[in-house]
Amino acid sequence: GDSVTQMEGPVTLSEEAFLTINCTYTATGYPSLFWYVQYPGEGLQLLLKATKADDKGSNKGFEATYRKETTSFHLEKGSVQVSDSAVYFCALSDPGANSKLTFGKGITLSVRP
Amino acid sequence: GAVVSQHPSWVICKSGTSVKIECRSLDFQATTMFWYRQFPKQSLMLMATSNEGSKATYEQGVEKDKFLINHASLTLSTLTVTSAHPEDSSFYICSAWDRAKNTEAFFGQGTRLTVV
Repeated sequence: GDSVTQMEGPVTLSEEAFLTINCTYTATGYPSLFWYVQYPGEGLQLLLKATKADDKGSNKGFEATYRKETTSFHLEKGSVQVSDSAVYFCALSDPGANSKLTFGKGITLSVRP
Repeated sequence: GAVVSQHPSWVICKSGTSVKIECRSLDFQATTMFWYRQFPKQSLMLMATSNEGSKATYEQGVEKDKFLINHASLTLSTLTVTSAHPEDSSFYICSAWDRAKNTEAFFGQGTRLTVV
């Protein structure tokens, strides 16, 4: 079945540091890939997405590129801010699975001033 | 963007009572809504898929008699936790698919349930 694997956390960075959060997936079909963010006490928000190979999703300075050859969708940001502190979830949606989302375990990012 | 409203945002109830959580799509029609449960420091676990006008499809291991799901209209789905126990305490989140866009899920704010 479909699965999403995220790097182990938590991650603590200083403000303006470079961020990479790894995400790899396995899927039977040709999935769409997503990054969701969950700020403290809130529900999930879509951060960015990509629907086909080599697509780059971007939002709020975050980027992720759909790499079919390595089945990866790593999240990057060049300069993190304290306000980026949150839990980040990588997810996929297999078109043949009635649009259900399969999530990774999530990773907590803490950014120090 | 599309908005999904979940209510209540938090609730405390006594063991043995039932709690209803509502999930509404405010500005779009959602033929399908999903209910997730999130344990502390873990990912979201899909509990069930709710289709408008039909019975919900539950994931393996989820008790359908305990977690009653109703999707009576294209904008409303409800999750009722029956005879709640402390182990049901968790964060419950719904999501809805936009019928027109059908490319991403929109999530409610979540409901923190505490059973005492």
